[in-house]
Amino acid sequence: QLQLQESGPGLVRPSETLSLTCTVSGDSIISSVHYWGWIRQPPGKGLEWIGCIYNSGSTFYNPSLKSRVTVSVDTSKNQFSLKVSSVTAADTAVYYCARDPGSGVTSSKFDYWGQGTLVTVSS
Amino acid sequence: DIQMTQSPSSLSASVGDRVTITCRASQDIRNDLGWYQQKPGTAPKRLVYAASSLQSGVPSRFSGSGSGTEFTLTISSLQPEDFATYYCLQHNSYPRTFGQGTKVEIK
Repeated sequence: QLQLQESGPGLVRPSETLSLTCTVSGDSIISSVHYWGWIRQPPGKGLEWIGCIYNSGSTFYNPSLKSRVTVSVDTSKNQFSLKVSSVTAADTAVYYCARDPGSGVTSSKFDYWGQGTLVTVSS
Repeated sequence: DIQMTQSPSSLSASVGDRVTITCRASQDIRNDLGWYQQKPGTAPKRLVYAASSLQSGVPSRFSGSGSGTEFTLTISSLQPEDFATYYCLQHNSYPRTFGQGTKVEIK
């Protein structure tokens, strides 16, 4: 059974960089046909897609965040990571990692998300 | 980017009611759409994939329909455990985009 688990600091100072890691178990990122992504949800608000990465390092980002976001992959550890630079209080959110659902012929009937981790931006 | 317009943003309904939630895509996304249910403090759970296929283990009172630009999630007979927030997600192209969410509350 595929599982994803987010890890990283729960508190980040304004203007600093938020860093999170997602550890994948039960599947190998390097052999997967799927992208692996990040989604966030500010308190009391809706879901926002952040970006995703393939095992080759190919990435896609939300244009609204692209200038501050980097998603990377470490296939040797079966992990992928998120960095958001120059954070403000508006970046306070629950951050989820998830396997991208694919599209068309690569769409999967299975859907996998981490449990989410709250990151608060505050001094 | 593909915009997903979800309606209504909230609704009040009683147990046993039929509930319909709609998502409209700003361009053709074929059937690359999922419906998610989220309860407070938990990760979203996908109910429907490929616009109309029910995820394994999801009660049959949930159903999805549509293709192209118009999609619907229907709960045929609302149960107490269905009070939650529902989102659509298009995964036809990048960036992926969610609908704004529909909060289903008890009347």
